[in-house]
Amino acid sequence: QVQLQESGPGLVKPSETLSLTCTVSGGSLSSYYWSWIRQAPGKGLEWIGYINYYGMTDYNPSLESRISISVDRSKNQFSLKLTSVTAADTAVYFCGKLVGAAYPVDSWGQGTLVTVSS
Amino acid sequence: DIVMTQSPDSLAVSLGERATINCKSSQSLLYTSNNRNYLAWYQQKPGQPPKLLIYWASTRESGVPDRFSGSGSGTEFTLTISSLQAEDVAVYYCQQCYGTPHTFGQGTKLEIK
Repeated sequence: QVQLQESGPGLVKPSETLSLTCTVSGGSLSSYYWSWIRQAPGKGLEWIGYINYYGMTDYNPSLESRISISVDRSKNQFSLKLTSVTAADTAVYFCGKLVGAAYPVDSWGQGTLVTVSS
Repeated sequence: DIVMTQSPDSLAVSLGERATINCKSSQSLLYTSNNRNYLAWYQQKPGQPPKLLIYWASTRESGVPDRFSGSGSGTEFTLTISSLQAEDVAVYYCQQCYGTPHTFGQGTKLEIK
């Protein structure tokens, strides 16, 4: 059973870059897609984007100009960078696994709260 | 983007009774080449990540109790809990995986009456 764990700073200043890493254990990055989803406090779920083992990405158009998702096969990790953050980017960020591009997230990390504040 | 709309926003059901949550999509989620609807249902309890319950509109994820069932096709879908248990109190989300971005419904909060 694949397990995922998010890591990164819990506090980011406005206009700076949010950087998070998801470490995958109990399985390889290959053959799957890897996703980021966020949830603002008390709100619903927002799909950020995904990447596959080969580095193919698809991003939410509402965030596309500010986001980048990458994969580090040597460390069995994938990462999210979100630039020029504002208070509206304050959320719990989840990483997740999909078995394919048109599939739901079947394994989730516990999530990490990122607060944007000076 | 495909817009997903759930109803109701909240629901209170007595223990042992049936709970029904609806989800509508702004366009069809049916992929005609394989006759599959790319619609999933999740359960989220406070402080936890969502848990996948149903995919392809009606296929139960491994380990999910059979009181959870999904139905519907095209643009209208339903999640049914046949006999509500106390541990089913949660927020339920539908999600379309037909096209990116994989949009979610706004969520339905399920409580015990």
